Amino acid sequence: QVQLQESGPGLVKPSETLSLTCTVSGDSVSSDTYYWTWVRQPPGKGLEWIGYIYDSGTTIYNPSLKSRVSLSIDTSTNQLFLKMTSVTATDTAVYYCLTEQRFRFDFWGPGIMVIVSS
Amino acid sequence: DIQMTQSPSSLSASVGDRVTITCRASQTASKYLNWYQQKPGKAPRLLIYAASTLQSGVPSRFSGSGSETDFTLTISSLQPEDFATYYCQQNNITPYTFGQGTKLEI
Repeated sequence: QVQLQESGPGLVKPSETLSLTCTVSGDSVSSDTYYWTWVRQPPGKGLEWIGYIYDSGTTIYNPSLKSRVSLSIDTSTNQLFLKMTSVTATDTAVYYCLTEQRFRFDFWGPGIMVIVSS
Repeated sequence: DIQMTQSPSSLSASVGDRVTITCRASQTASKYLNWYQQKPGKAPRLLIYAASTLQSGVPSRFSGSGSETDFTLTISSLQPEDFATYYCQQNNITPYTFGQGTKLEI
């Protein structure tokens, strides 16, 4: 069973870049079994799909975030990375890394709360 | 984008009740509709995928039905641990989208 754990700074200043890491265990990030996915949830609100990366580098992003988001993979450390530029308060959210397999999101990390504030 | 609309947004029920939550898609989701349960401070948990298939380890009191644009999640006999927020989600076309959630309360 895949396990995922998000990490990174819990506080980011407006206009700066948010950088998160997701450490994967139980499978390789180079595996073609999964699409490695990010989803976020603002406090008290619903869920928003950010995008996914697969095949060690192919990415699909939500068009609403595409100009600011970049996903990547490091196979040597078995980690996933999310970078989001020019953040504002509306980017304050819990960020989840998870797996998509056969059209469903089956394994989720516990999430990491990121606050955008000066 | 496919807009997902759940109803109701909140629901009060009692242990033992039968509960149904509906989800409507603004265009076809085909069979690629999933249901998740989320408890406060926790990540969502997959309950149902492909509209009606129970995820491994999920109690059989949960069931799903529907296709194309109209879907339902039914809990046949509510248990105390079922009080949570439920989300539908379409995996048919990117950007994948979620419903706004249904909060199930005592």
